[in-house]
Amino acid sequence: NAGVTQTPKFQVLKTGQSMTLQCAQDMNHNSMYWYRQDPGMGLRLIYYSASEGTTDKGEVPNGYNVSRLNKREFSLRLESAAPSQTSVYFCASSGGGQQETQYFGPGTRLLVL
Amino acid sequence: GDSVTQMEGPVTLSEEAFLTINCTYTATGYPSLFWYVQYPGEGLQLLLKATKADDKGSNKGFEATYRKETTSFHLEKGSVQVSDSAVYFCAPGGGGSNYKLTFGKGTLLTVNP
Repeated sequence: NAGVTQTPKFQVLKTGQSMTLQCAQDMNHNSMYWYRQDPGMGLRLIYYSASEGTTDKGEVPNGYNVSRLNKREFSLRLESAAPSQTSVYFCASSGGGQQETQYFGPGTRLLVL
Repeated sequence: GDSVTQMEGPVTLSEEAFLTINCTYTATGYPSLFWYVQYPGEGLQLLLKATKADDKGSNKGFEATYRKETTSFHLEKGSVQVSDSAVYFCAPGGGGSNYKLTFGKGTLLTVNP
């Protein structure tokens, strides 16, 4: 059982480049989330998808877009990367509703030069 | 909105010492409460949870009790091991339809042999 998988594991971008972070879960979960983790800031929610076909902004959505491709997959896109987006990105999923426990992927470490 | 205040680290202990990491929260209604742990280079994983007042969550020797009257969910372990070295996150849930967790900034624990 793979759980939540993320690709790539590590990426270096130049300012202004674009990229998409991929996330997939095999637990038949309804809800999926994207977080960023920065030193001293904990985890901050970027976007989430409560169920297939819906997406909503979290705490820090500026500079990002998301797509809930199907029930399994939830991608995060940086259209024009900035150094401030250097971070570790985590995808998570949960059953949704009363099933609040979130299950996390291993993370993508992104460096924007 | 929901918020969580978590004991600031870093915390450094000797093996077999007693551990307490304080967590207090503000939330609407009666959320579920979670502690997550992040080992170096990994994603977050659920350590324990409690879903209603006076419930005690426990796992791997760690315990936390849901205290509604003090809105607290302090993490404790009677005898820490070197392998417990990690970052610990407290997170209240949104309750039912909210789908979201609010994470504290994390507490880095280092246990020395």
